[in-house]
Amino acid sequence: DIQMTQSPSAMSASVGDRVTITCRASQDINNYLAWFQQKPGKVPKRLIYAASSLQSGVPSRFSGSGSGTEFTLTISSLQPEDFATYYCLQYNSYPRTFGQGTKLEIK
Amino acid sequence: EVQLLESGGGLVQPGGSLRLSCAASGFTFSRNAMSWLRQAPGKGLEWVSTIMGDGGIRWYADSVKGRFTISRDNSNNTLYLQMNSLRVEDTAVYYCAKQVGAPGVEDYWGQGILVTVSS
Repeated sequence: DIQMTQSPSAMSASVGDRVTITCRASQDINNYLAWFQQKPGKVPKRLIYAASSLQSGVPSRFSGSGSGTEFTLTISSLQPEDFATYYCLQYNSYPRTFGQGTKLEIK
Repeated sequence: EVQLLESGGGLVQPGGSLRLSCAASGFTFSRNAMSWLRQAPGKGLEWVSTIMGDGGIRWYADSVKGRFTISRDNSNNTLYLQMNSLRVEDTAVYYCAKQVGAPGVEDYWGQGILVTVSS
């Protein structure tokens, strides 16, 4: 099974900050990586797929990059509505595996 | 508009069974693989199972293999998850989700349904 290691597990930041979250795969997953945002009590929302493709309707301050085993999600200028938990998901093979999540809190 | 509506959750004793349903609309159901995922209280997301559009191929997480069965009824646009031999650690919100692309990745998720396994 492919293990996904996401870091940090939690972080605090201020509105307007640039934030980067990292996901490492235990083996090459090509570019088959997606990022999801989940707010408390809400359904996960897909932000990025194929490592760097922005989901329709998602603000352009979100971007994804990386290939092979190392991937990043960047929020260029944090907005109040961005405080949430973020998960990466590899879909290169079954079983599908998620990172542990990154809880982004207001500083 | 894509809509996915789960039903069938609730409280069940350890060792018991439950069948979840997911009614789909707003897309051509038979053309998309569908998944079940879950989230235990206060924990992260976990993939459970996926079934291809024609129902011919299914995958399961090791944690549910042999106990859970995914199926679908394309004539009624409904996805199912039959859960047997339930354990306390199966307690979670269960989501159905539509896959898109090849390889498939989940894009739209239902609102989720709570399954509680407790004596």
